[in-house]
Amino acid sequence: GQNIDQPTEMTATEGAIVQINCTYQTSGFNGLFWYQQHAGEAPTFLSYNVLDGLEEKGRFSSFLSRSKGYSYLLLKELQMKDSASYLCALGGTYKYIFGTGTRLKVLA
Amino acid sequence: DTAVSQTPKYLVTQMGNDKSIKCEQNLGHDTMYWYKQDSKKFLKIMFSYNNKELIINETVPNRFSPKSPDKAHLNLHINSLELGDSAVYFCASSLTAGATSGTGELFFGEGSRLTVL
Repeated sequence: GQNIDQPTEMTATEGAIVQINCTYQTSGFNGLFWYQQHAGEAPTFLSYNVLDGLEEKGRFSSFLSRSKGYSYLLLKELQMKDSASYLCALGGTYKYIFGTGTRLKVLA
Repeated sequence: DTAVSQTPKYLVTQMGNDKSIKCEQNLGHDTMYWYKQDSKKFLKIMFSYNNKELIINETVPNRFSPKSPDKAHLNLHINSLELGDSAVYFCASSLTAGATSGTGELFFGEGSRLTVL
């Protein structure tokens, strides 16, 4: 199986840093992906990790540890527009399995 | 230019009816998918296709029949609609199917919100 768990909701303040965790139990995957989804919209790609370590992309960074079954998405300098759901997904061959999603609220 | 487009965006229908959702991508991708997002916002894979061929059917009832006339199109037909089919259905595509690099990212359509009364 590929149970993928994320916190249901998080709240943070504008300008702060927030870390959204994703833990999984799986027999194998090719890459771990993070997507952002605003209410009523489609998910959009943010970041991915194939190898262990940190990938930085502007205000967003993602980290992966395969041995620990753990990933996180780090959002810096939070803005109001970052209020959205964040989904981690395990990418296999012809198949992406999504986590439960974390709804992030950014407060002024 | 819209990369992945779905129609219609909204469907409201009665139980027992049949409905179709069309999807087209102009990205030149080989792999296309259908995902279902329920009221709890959980995104679940239904089907994946590669170059018009069905690759994955994730234990979806036979009432759901995808069709891919060419690699740029993947349509979804649903027979005998049930209340539990109410959800947002997302079409997606990816350049590669292996998810081993950034080219494996999914591009989603805007979604089709199906409401079964």
